[in-house]
Amino acid sequence: DVVMTQSPLSLPVTLGQPASISCRSSQSLVYSDGNTYLSWFHQRPGQSPRRLIYKISNRDSGVPDRFSGSGSGTDFTLKISRVEAEDVGVYYCMQGTHWWTFGQGTKVEIK
Amino acid sequence: EVQLVESGGGLVNPGGSLRLSCEASGLSFSYAWMRWVRQAPGKGLEWVGRIKSIGDGGTTDYAAPVKGRFTISRDDSKNTLWLQMNSLRTDDTAVYYCTTDIDGSPGLWGQGTMVTVSS
Repeated sequence: DVVMTQSPLSLPVTLGQPASISCRSSQSLVYSDGNTYLSWFHQRPGQSPRRLIYKISNRDSGVPDRFSGSGSGTDFTLKISRVEAEDVGVYYCMQGTHWWTFGQGTKVEIK
Repeated sequence: EVQLVESGGGLVNPGGSLRLSCEASGLSFSYAWMRWVRQAPGKGLEWVGRIKSIGDGGTTDYAAPVKGRFTISRDDSKNTLWLQMNSLRTDDTAVYYCTTDIDGSPGLWGQGTMVTVSS
């Protein structure tokens, strides 16, 4: 099974400052069709997860442009350019190349 | 409005059975590959299983922890997905989410339904 490892697992952030979460996979996520199926999700307390980013860097409809995804192969990053209060919660990366596997989650909270 | 609405959760004894439903609206359900994802209390997300569209064969796949105990099915005439759970164990306790495959990952999620396995 592909293992997804996120870091850090806890991220205290200052409002208005940037934040970054890393996600590494135990094997390459490049699929035979040339796509890399790496996604990012945000889950607020008591709510369902919401997808933010798919195929490394594509933002879902309605997702603010302060969120961006990057990376390739086995190393990926989610960046928030300026953290807002509504960004608190847990962020998960997920690979969809070899069945589905989620990372452990990164809890983002305001300092 | 595009949405998925799960139902059927509840409290069940170990070894018991439960059937979850997911009703879809606002999307072309018959073309959708559907999945169930679960989240144990205070824990992360775990893929449970998938069913392809009937046009793509309608086949199912399951994660190792539930294989042989859980069965996913669908009725496109009712825009409904089901998860039949048998031989339930305490470690099956979780919120169960219905999701759709969009561009290789769950692009749409339901609100979830809680399943508690306890005596």
